[in-house]
Amino acid sequence: DGGITQSPKYLFRKEGQNVTLSCEQNLNHDAMYWYRQDPGQGLRLIYYSQIVNDFQKGDIAEGYSVSREKKESFPLTVTSAQKNPTAFYLCASSIDREGPGTEAFFGQGTRLTVV
Amino acid sequence: SQQGEEDPQALSIQEGENATMNCSYKTSINNLQWYRQNSGRGLVHLILIRSNEREKHSGRLRVTLDTSKKSSSLLITASRAADTASYFCATAGGSYIPTFGRGTSLIVHP
Repeated sequence: DGGITQSPKYLFRKEGQNVTLSCEQNLNHDAMYWYRQDPGQGLRLIYYSQIVNDFQKGDIAEGYSVSREKKESFPLTVTSAQKNPTAFYLCASSIDREGPGTEAFFGQGTRLTVV
Repeated sequence: SQQGEEDPQALSIQEGENATMNCSYKTSINNLQWYRQNSGRGLVHLILIRSNEREKHSGRLRVTLDTSKKSSSLLITASRAADTASYFCATAGGSYIPTFGRGTSLIVHP
């Protein structure tokens, strides 16, 4: 089955801890994205990557870090510098070029809660 | 910054009725996409319309795009209870990165 997998589905973080959210895709997509979703605010872009070993900050990158060492993997680390990390995190991928395949495919999300 | 803004924020209809959602955006785009999200799940792509297209159909879905007004609409005909979800528009400019609005929450009563 081709798709994009996020893990874990639920994650609890203590104050001051870093946590890493996993995102893996087997769609051979070049581009991968991380979005944060809060109630009533839609999706906001955290980071994106259009090629291996390269990534760019989105609108709300502060307190987050990413890596793109392999085409199929784009993990997101929520650092202790992120003051309000409780949210639903969505990873997506796309072919990243003009043509019929520019739509994004999403994982099922990770719900992060600070305890 | 969020490019698209959906309207209305919430919509409640009876099964069998049509549902219309609107999306307005601010800057020029290459394409506009509509997605659906069931509660607590990821988004599912519904339809993509390019900036040089005016209308597209897919099953019970009809999307229009008016680039002069910077707006799009999604029409779901003959709604079903299973259509209950949030619907988002996403615009893509030169970088082709989808930028999402806040969504419309649709409830279809059986």
